[in-house]
Amino acid sequence: DGGITQSPKYLFRKEGQNVTLSCEQNLNHDAMYWYRQDPGQGLRLIYYSQIVNDFQKGDIAEGYSVSREKKESFPLTVTSAQKNPTAFYLCASSLDRRNQPQHFGDGTRLSIL
Amino acid sequence: AQKVTQAQTEISVVEKEDVTLDCVYETRDTTYYLFWYKQPPSGELVFLIRRNSFDEQNEISGRYSWNFQKSTSSFNFTITASQVVDSAVYFCALSEARNAGNMLTFGGGTRLMVKP
Repeated sequence: DGGITQSPKYLFRKEGQNVTLSCEQNLNHDAMYWYRQDPGQGLRLIYYSQIVNDFQKGDIAEGYSVSREKKESFPLTVTSAQKNPTAFYLCASSLDRRNQPQHFGDGTRLSIL
Repeated sequence: AQKVTQAQTEISVVEKEDVTLDCVYETRDTTYYLFWYKQPPSGELVFLIRRNSFDEQNEISGRYSWNFQKSTSSFNFTITASQVVDSAVYFCALSEARNAGNMLTFGGGTRLMVKP
């Protein structure tokens, strides 16, 4: 089945530690996105990528990093510089055209130990 | 700058009631796209509908209907004869044509609770 797979489902981070969230899609979509969702709030864009080996900062990129070495994969690293990382992280992908809906993964819930 | 407002943070209804979720948007672009997504307790967002700024026809899909009014910058979502399975958080989102990427601006969401 085509879709977006995020792993792990739950992740715990120690102080000063970097952690990486995985996002893989087999929809043959060019564009991929990372969002952060805090309790009771909407989604905020962290990073997006329209093509392999290229990505752009979103509204809240500080403390995060990404890579896009393969079309199918767009991992997100939450660095130690992100002082408030506890949130629900959602990965999405879409065809790279203006009006195309984004398709989402099941999310990763990150907490601090 | 673009903005999406969902003023209702939480709505509670009894099964079989009709319910309308409000969405008001702001944009300076003349070409834009509006979306509704459903987020069930499992967490993933499920795409429900897309509407472009040039198409003001209302749309109906089963128990769901959408009312797009450019004059009031609103794109409201109505569920007729609500069911317990409709309980979820619903998000309205906006994409402007002038954006470099296909980026979405989301509203804060409306949590709908349908009680049996």
